[in-house]
Amino acid sequence: AQSVTQLGSHVSVSEGALVLLRCNYSSSVPPYLFWYVQYPNQGLQLLLKYTSAATLVKGINGFEAEFKKSETSFHLTKPSAHMSDAAEYFCAVSDRANTDKLIFGTGTRLQVFP
Amino acid sequence: DAGVIQSPRHEVTEMGQEVTLRCKPISGHDYLFWYRQTMMRGLELLIYFNNNVPIDDSGMPEDRFSAKMPNASFSTLKIQPSEPRDSAVYFCASSLGDYLRPSYEQYFGPGTRLTVT
Repeated sequence: AQSVTQLGSHVSVSEGALVLLRCNYSSSVPPYLFWYVQYPNQGLQLLLKYTSAATLVKGINGFEAEFKKSETSFHLTKPSAHMSDAAEYFCAVSDRANTDKLIFGTGTRLQVFP
Repeated sequence: DAGVIQSPRHEVTEMGQEVTLRCKPISGHDYLFWYRQTMMRGLELLIYFNNNVPIDDSGMPEDRFSAKMPNASFSTLKIQPSEPRDSAVYFCASSLGDYLRPSYEQYFGPGTRLTVT
């Protein structure tokens, strides 16, 4: 069965610093991977997705993620953090045996300090 | 499109009362998902529908929970009787899926914050 592990439930960075949120996956088949963002008091919103095309995926708001099969990782990065990036970020993997479902990680809360 | 609409946004009820949460998916979407989010358990999939038919309800915690989708534009999640441990934020999400584009790109509603006292 597929699963994702997000390392670090909280990450704090200064405005302008690099953002790195870690996600490792476990899958017996080539996975589809996703990052969602949840702003306070809102639902989740898709940031980006990997579906077996380019391994470097660009998303909204300057975020990108790289699929590394050898490391079973799909880390989310942004070169320069902005105050508006403060949110909770969820990594997810689709259940390829049942592509209707997403399996979410436990989330990483990103704080951005001025 | 207005996006996924959920009502109410906040619900406070007493233990033992019936609670009904409502969801209107994005028009044209054929998948609808109900999730529950708590600090302790994170985001859990409760049930999902495809073309108004329940496909997987393995995440429904117990018989007190039930969900229906009488038509393509409306779904309810009911808890009867409610208990304090049901307190959580309940999200509805919808997506459009076909053979070429599986339904993993889900659009979430703003959620209903349920408090059971």
